[in-house]
Amino acid sequence: GIQVEQSPPDLILQEGANSTLRCNFSDSVNNLQWFHQNPWGQLINLFYIPSGTKQNGRLSATTVATERYSLLYISSSQTTDSGVYFCAPPGPSGNTPLVFGKGTRLSVIA
Amino acid sequence: NAGVTQTPKFQVLKTGQSMTLQCAQDMNHNSMYWYRQDPGMGLRLIYYSASEGTTDKGEVPNGYNVSRLNKREFSLRLESAAPSQTSVYFCASSSSGAGELFFGEGSRLTVL
Repeated sequence: GIQVEQSPPDLILQEGANSTLRCNFSDSVNNLQWFHQNPWGQLINLFYIPSGTKQNGRLSATTVATERYSLLYISSSQTTDSGVYFCAPPGPSGNTPLVFGKGTRLSVIA
Repeated sequence: NAGVTQTPKFQVLKTGQSMTLQCAQDMNHNSMYWYRQDPGMGLRLIYYSASEGTTDKGEVPNGYNVSRLNKREFSLRLESAAPSQTSVYFCASSSSGAGELFFGEGSRLTVL
């Protein structure tokens, strides 16, 4: 099946800094999702992004399906951004359940 | 709008006991899923139901059974719990296999 690798595995930022999280996947995909798991364990949808770029406030995501990667940008980070960020493309055929990477654990310190 | 609702949120079992995790969604979604999350492992798919009346195994199905009771409800059963099944379980749903996925709040299960 599809392999998903996220980097870096851990990231510590000072409040106000910017960051880029990367997601590489082994097969072509027709969509991809980014999730934020907050410190209370809730999984929150950030982006559903088949290709191109989407923006939501201080966060934006870019997926380049032909080159098999997606990037999540966090600008002017806040302590509430702390948690684990997961990317998840679908499995084979594109219409099968999402396959999750191991995540990037982000800690934003004041 | 509740979205995806899981019960119970916490459960402690002894080895060999059985239990059922319940999941319901109110978004009229066709597809439903059960994932488990272990430290450092991300989320792994246990079972899914692409549509009412169908179920399929995921990556880690051993020790579990599922029932798609109707379009809204998808339950996960542990027939004889083992310590290796200590985990956080998430139910999710989507309009279709390729649709945006929405998660419940999770159920933390400890097997002693």
